Amino acid sequence: DSGVTQTPKHLITATGQRVTLRCSPRSGDLSVYWYQQSLDQGLQFLIQYYNGEERAKGNILERFSAQQFPDLHSELNLSSLELGDSALYFCASSVQGSNEKLFFGSGTQLSVL
Amino acid sequence: GESVGLHLPTLSVQEGDNSIINCAYSNSASDYFIWYKQESGKGPQFIIDIRSNMDKRQGQRVTVLLNKTVKHLSLQIAATQPGDSAVYFCAEAGSNYKLTFGKGTLLTVNP
Repeated sequence: DSGVTQTPKHLITATGQRVTLRCSPRSGDLSVYWYQQSLDQGLQFLIQYYNGEERAKGNILERFSAQQFPDLHSELNLSSLELGDSALYFCASSVQGSNEKLFFGSGTQLSVL
Repeated sequence: GESVGLHLPTLSVQEGDNSIINCAYSNSASDYFIWYKQESGKGPQFIIDIRSNMDKRQGQRVTVLLNKTVKHLSLQIAATQPGDSAVYFCAEAGSNYKLTFGKGTLLTVNP
């Protein structure tokens, strides 16, 4: 167990809908990361937060947004969902958020039908 | 019909043999490198990391080698066990904090 908690584990929804994925980092970690893993793209970095502020941005679509709250948990919001958004979404956390090991959660499997 | 997916390099070894998984990275400015193991249905699990001021680092049954000249990283697993069967990812990071993952290698250990 990495100490990173993600909910829900599975999510099935329809195209055009909006969903929210939730992540609680390891105790003491200030930085949260979101990654998308699909069969044809591998692990793609989406976005990173450090202590409530956005620190780095990757290949995140405009339909997607995230935030980190004062208690350090994070949410990833996916809207206007398309079939191609079906993937595993991982949250990871680290202590300082700069070139150190990340601890990953178990992921949320999103299926858009 | 044939499914389109990520065609991972694969490595098949016998139990007890040593395994070597290779990774080429792209950014010469990267100064931090890390190996992860991902088992089916689970999130990536940290194995070992190395910074650019080192060329070798050892852990329990694992060794990471870094060759900055040719931008190459390798993971050596000693006495490979069936429980080592998984997809192994290398990742690199530089000053932009973003950890970029490689495509992964599927390791299969035959008993």
